[in-house]
Amino acid sequence: GAGVSQSPSNKVTEKGKDVELRCDPISGHTALYWYRQSLGQGLEFLIYFQGNSAPDKSGLPSDRFSAERTGGSVSTLTIQRTQQEDSAVYLCASSPHSYEQYFGPGTRLTVT
Amino acid sequence: AQSVSQHNHHVILSEAASLELGCNYSYGGTVNLFWYVQYPGQHLQLLLKYFSGDPLVKGIKGFEAEFIKSKFSFNLRKPSVQWSDTAEYFCAVNGGSQGNLIFGKGTKLSVKP
Repeated sequence: GAGVSQSPSNKVTEKGKDVELRCDPISGHTALYWYRQSLGQGLEFLIYFQGNSAPDKSGLPSDRFSAERTGGSVSTLTIQRTQQEDSAVYLCASSPHSYEQYFGPGTRLTVT
Repeated sequence: AQSVSQHNHHVILSEAASLELGCNYSYGGTVNLFWYVQYPGQHLQLLLKYFSGDPLVKGIKGFEAEFIKSKFSFNLRKPSVQWSDTAEYFCAVNGGSQGNLIFGKGTKLSVKP
């Protein structure tokens, strides 16, 4: 079946602009996660959605970062007023429960 | 706070050599343990997982890992590597009620043909 998909695959933006990254999880998966992968920091957790529960936002690095999950499916990660340190690969994962996670291909964000 | 340590940053082996990648975690309660692999240009894929039961788990492509609770370790092994195993390997853990994974920094494996 179809895996986790993310769009766009690459995004180049100017410092100060807002960006939106999209994730389509595997159908039926109740849990959805956002991580980012960067050279210096490795893989960092950002935010976690489980069903209709309030999201776990404990990994968001600043209030410029936010995420929504509509209808328990598609999720959008928004970064406002992007900074150069936001440059990274943003990964989305989904899970049928809270254990093994299946990752998408990522969105490579470059802030110039 | 939970953390995961992978001791080797870059490992270089010749084909047919045996592989062992170290992974240690810090968490006092029940944990779920994972190894993920990222082949060049590809996304993260689950290699194997441990939830409970037999501490020796077998994954895809001939990989296995052993959970040693007393050592807080979950080392990845393969008896004979192939050039196609060249990739970056990540150990990860989640525990208790926490849903997200905590990842190690990764180990890059280069296999010389």
